[in-house]
Amino acid sequence: DTEVTQTPKHLVMGMTNKKSLKCEQHMGHRAMYWYKQKAKKPPELMFVYSYEKLSINESVPSRFSPECPNSSLLNLHLHALQPEDSALYLCASSQTFRDRGGGYTFGSGTRLTVV
Amino acid sequence: DQQVKQNSPSLSVQEGRISILNCDYTNSMFDYFLWYKKYPAEGPTFLISISSIKDKNEDGRFTVFLNKSAKHLSLHIVPSQPGDSAVYFCAASAYSGNTPLVFGKGTRLSVIA
Repeated sequence: DTEVTQTPKHLVMGMTNKKSLKCEQHMGHRAMYWYKQKAKKPPELMFVYSYEKLSINESVPSRFSPECPNSSLLNLHLHALQPEDSALYLCASSQTFRDRGGGYTFGSGTRLTVV
Repeated sequence: DQQVKQNSPSLSVQEGRISILNCDYTNSMFDYFLWYKKYPAEGPTFLISISSIKDKNEDGRFTVFLNKSAKHLSLHIVPSQPGDSAVYFCAASAYSGNTPLVFGKGTRLSVIA
């Protein structure tokens, strides 16, 4: 299995809703990442987990809450989002945080729309 | 302030000709560079990489050139094929300082048959 699987592919949520994005990989990778990408912008790093511990939080608002229940799963819990949070949310993984070989393996993303 | 810049948002090339995609960076700590390819509705996929100890890396039709003094890298695709039409992202990282990948804005390549 050489994939990173993200669910759901599309999500529409209201500003008062609570939802979660899920990411799963079975490649034995020990580093997992959340990126946010808006139209015509580069992917921007949000969080990095290394060996199931939060290593980097790029000053992301608390309405985004990451969780790494085990080495294969990464969640992003969403609460009280704003319309400007609408974006493509990409999950990625790599062997380790310092893995330079083939870069990261990305999922297909979750297209989030906040109404 | 963007640390990785792809100044051409789009590029059109005839099938069979060479495609050259450019990328500039500002952070002199970057020592590893990658190119990713992204089709619509899919995540980016790794294409080719280069370490700062090299100035060229080749993989089939894809060659990446690195000019450290100019802080510039380029991706050459020869010959270009219609299936190469995608958005190409340049990315960079620094081994020291625990810096994850930083991406450029991307260049949309269209290969015309």
